[in-house]
Amino acid sequence: AQSVSQHNHHVILSEAASLELGCNYSYGGTVNLFWYVQYPGQHLQLLLKYFSGDPLVKGIKGFEAEFIKSKFSFNLRKPSVQWSDTAEYFCAVTSFSGGYNKLIFGAGTRLAVHP
Amino acid sequence: KAGVTQTPRYLIKTRGQQVTLSCSPISGHRSVSWYQQTPGQGLQFLFEYFSETQRNKGNFPGRFSGRQFSNSRSEMNVSTLELGDSALYLCASIRDREAFFGQGTRLTVV
Repeated sequence: AQSVSQHNHHVILSEAASLELGCNYSYGGTVNLFWYVQYPGQHLQLLLKYFSGDPLVKGIKGFEAEFIKSKFSFNLRKPSVQWSDTAEYFCAVTSFSGGYNKLIFGAGTRLAVHP
Repeated sequence: KAGVTQTPRYLIKTRGQQVTLSCSPISGHRSVSWYQQTPGQGLQFLFEYFSETQRNKGNFPGRFSGRQFSNSRSEMNVSTLELGDSALYLCASIRDREAFFGQGTRLTVV
């Protein structure tokens, strides 16, 4: 069965620090990859997605992610975080075999950014 | 453009009761999926509907069911509620493989 692993459950950073959140998935076929963010009290929002093409994808709010097929990874990065980035971040995958509309989520990473 | 609307936002039910949650997708989106979010299990896929047909189903007991209407609105039903069904239930409206989520319905079973 497909699964998604997020390495860090809690991350604490100071403003202006760089961020990298790890995500690995277990599936050998063609996948679509996503990062979602859930701000406190708000709905899940899409940060960025990878379907094909350039493995370095840029999303909203200065986030980017790199798809490394050989490592089954899709890590999220941001060069300089802000207090407003405090949220929970979810990596997710879909695939042809599982259904392209069936998201398999990681456990999430709670990010706290201190001023 | 209106987003995904889920009603009600909050529900408190007693064990053994049943509950129906509603989701109105973004206009023009024909696919709707449902997820359960809990602190222990995270986000788990329940089922997906497309053009009134269930197209995919997660690993949940038969007490969890859903349907979709001709206007793409969807409902999910949970019968014989258990304490463990307390969760945030999220609906996603899907187009071109991208899911747009609603605010969710927070169900508390007491």
